[in-house]
Amino acid sequence: LAKTTQPISMDSYEGQEVNITCSHNNIATNDYITWYQQFPSQGPRFIIQGYKTKVTNEVASLFIPADRKSSTLSLPRVSLSDTAVYYCLVGPNNNNDMRFGAGTRLTVKP
Amino acid sequence: EPEVTQTPSHQVTQMGQEVILRCVPISNHLYFYWYRQILGQKVEFLVSFYNNEISEKSEIFDDQFSVERPDGSNFTLKIRSTKLEDSAMYFCASSERSGGNQPQHFGDGTRLSIL
Repeated sequence: LAKTTQPISMDSYEGQEVNITCSHNNIATNDYITWYQQFPSQGPRFIIQGYKTKVTNEVASLFIPADRKSSTLSLPRVSLSDTAVYYCLVGPNNNNDMRFGAGTRLTVKP
Repeated sequence: EPEVTQTPSHQVTQMGQEVILRCVPISNHLYFYWYRQILGQKVEFLVSFYNNEISEKSEIFDDQFSVERPDGSNFTLKIRSTKLEDSAMYFCASSERSGGNQPQHFGDGTRLSIL
């Protein structure tokens, strides 16, 4: 399973765009990139997933360069309620063994 | 939106006792999972389950742990003889299909406290 590296923490202010980058240098051909969000005392919540280029949904965008060795989660105009831990996971489409890293603790300030 | 529900939300048990954590996955999902998160640490995969069989398990999931789908709706995690280090949040998840490209839907967990 590909190892991922993310910043331990990030601070932002309400209304700003936040970009969290994840490195996954040994990503394999059949690996997908998935991001989850976790609030205190809650289970992780799926945000977005991609394989290459760009994916956008109502919550976030995911940018994946051509070499796929990194990915960037972009949260537009964050609010205080976006304060959470964000996890980047990389895994193949034939394996259910999801390995969470330490994640990035995002703190949004007023 | 359909949810994964877990009961109880908090379980306090004496060391050495058996404990059963319960989960009701999303109804049309076929793949089920258990994770744990020790306070302040990362989410750790325990086991995945499909078609009444374990499909993957981690090194944490030793002989003290077992999973079962006793009926068409419940999915349970049993810890046979609890230890202090089993104290953690336990999360159940489910997905419609298999694989790392399938989003998993998590419950809000059971906080297990071993005394």
